[in-house]
Amino acid sequence: QVQLVQSGAAVKEPGASVKVSCRASGYSLSDSYMHWVRQAPGQGPEWMGWINPHSGDTNYAQRFQDRVTMTRDTSINTAYMELSRLRSGDTAVYYCAREGLWFGENWGQGTLVTVSS
Amino acid sequence: QAVLTQPSSLSASPGASASLTCTLRSDIYVGTNRIYWYQQKPGSPPQFLLRYKSDSDKHQGSGVPSRFSGSKDASTNAGILLISGLQSEDEADYYCMIWHSDAWVFGGGTKLTVL
Repeated sequence: QVQLVQSGAAVKEPGASVKVSCRASGYSLSDSYMHWVRQAPGQGPEWMGWINPHSGDTNYAQRFQDRVTMTRDTSINTAYMELSRLRSGDTAVYYCAREGLWFGENWGQGTLVTVSS
Repeated sequence: QAVLTQPSSLSASPGASASLTCTLRSDIYVGTNRIYWYQQKPGSPPQFLLRYKSDSDKHQGSGVPSRFSGSKDASTNAGILLISGLQSEDEADYYCMIWHSDAWVFGGGTKLTVL
């Protein structure tokens, strides 16, 4: 069955970068778009963008355009999301979400990123 | 004004029905949009429930009971998630989502309490 396993929690200082990984199993990463969604404490989800793992094409939400980079390594069936110039408002749980037949057909377990000095 | 507005909370009794609304901003017409609904329980990622545009364009998530259904109210420009025969396990946060202006947009969510 399809599984998405994300990297562990991270604590970063303001101004630093974080890179979250999402390892897919049960299907070929290249077969489906992968989205990244974050959720701040007590808030609703927020879409950050998607990557087409087959081509490497990306589409980022406007508010993250200058700070986010989504990549993939199809040889190890893994997608990545890197967010730079972190600030306290970036403290959130970050999810990868596969778009199979629909958005969010499968989700990773989430990665808590805490930004604190 | 937010793209999608959901009431922050709703309470209903076991066995009853609950109607969760997702109101689109007035310049976005509900009739042309596919509305996605997700359920989220504490400590878990959102789970896809269903997608609804019309009775001829809808999709239920795998394993999602038929007591979860979607509809629209054009008079209020809102999408609706109807949950019938409420069970204690339905207590969760519910989020709607649409594709708008080249981005996926979530509503703020409704916390459903079953008591």
